[in-house]
Amino acid sequence: EAGVVQSPRYKIIEKKQPVAFWCNPISGHNTLYWYLQNLGQGPELLIRYENEEAVDDSQLPKDRFSAERLKGVDSTLKIQPAELGDSAVYLCASSPGTGFEAFFGQGTRLTVV
Amino acid sequence: AQKITQTQPGMFVQEKEAVTLDCTYDTSDQSYGLFWYKQPSSGEMIFLIYQGSYDEQNATEGRYSLNFQKARKSANLVISASQLGDSAMYFCAMREGTGYSTLTFGKGTMLLVSP
Repeated sequence: EAGVVQSPRYKIIEKKQPVAFWCNPISGHNTLYWYLQNLGQGPELLIRYENEEAVDDSQLPKDRFSAERLKGVDSTLKIQPAELGDSAVYLCASSPGTGFEAFFGQGTRLTVV
Repeated sequence: AQKITQTQPGMFVQEKEAVTLDCTYDTSDQSYGLFWYKQPSSGEMIFLIYQGSYDEQNATEGRYSLNFQKARKSANLVISASQLGDSAMYFCAMREGTGYSTLTFGKGTMLLVSP
């Protein structure tokens, strides 16, 4: 069974430029998470989807971040414009539902210069 | 208040010894789940073990066991017979409630296993 797939693995952009990350969850997993992980820290939730509905986006900086999950499958996280402080690893995870562990992708390491 | 607290930034252990990684949690829900993940230097998060709040027995998965003390709100991870490949960051996480909810992580503990 294929795991959670994220692309790209690495991205370097100049500040003020836009960037997008893509996530393909495990087939059949209704729950999808985007997490932000700064160096040496634990993952922090940006947004959680149940199917195509964003049910927890309280930590998403909506002035520059946006996300979508079309048809309740793949998801895209966008930053526009990027700032130096956005340099981090962006992790996508999926879960079959409540009470189950989340399965993570390998993450996208973003560097903003 | 932090929901998950991991007080050990780093731990050192010799190969073949056991090590305990501490985790305390804060919740007012009666139903919740506790998880441990391993993150090697390659970056992927690997699920290790799960403990439900109503589980009476401590969870075990191979060399991993979870020392669950509900009254103290602690869920320590015990790794027996450490191996060099156990060197990694370890994160404790919690999901609260019976419905769909977010998985909240602690700040992690770096474990280094020496020969």
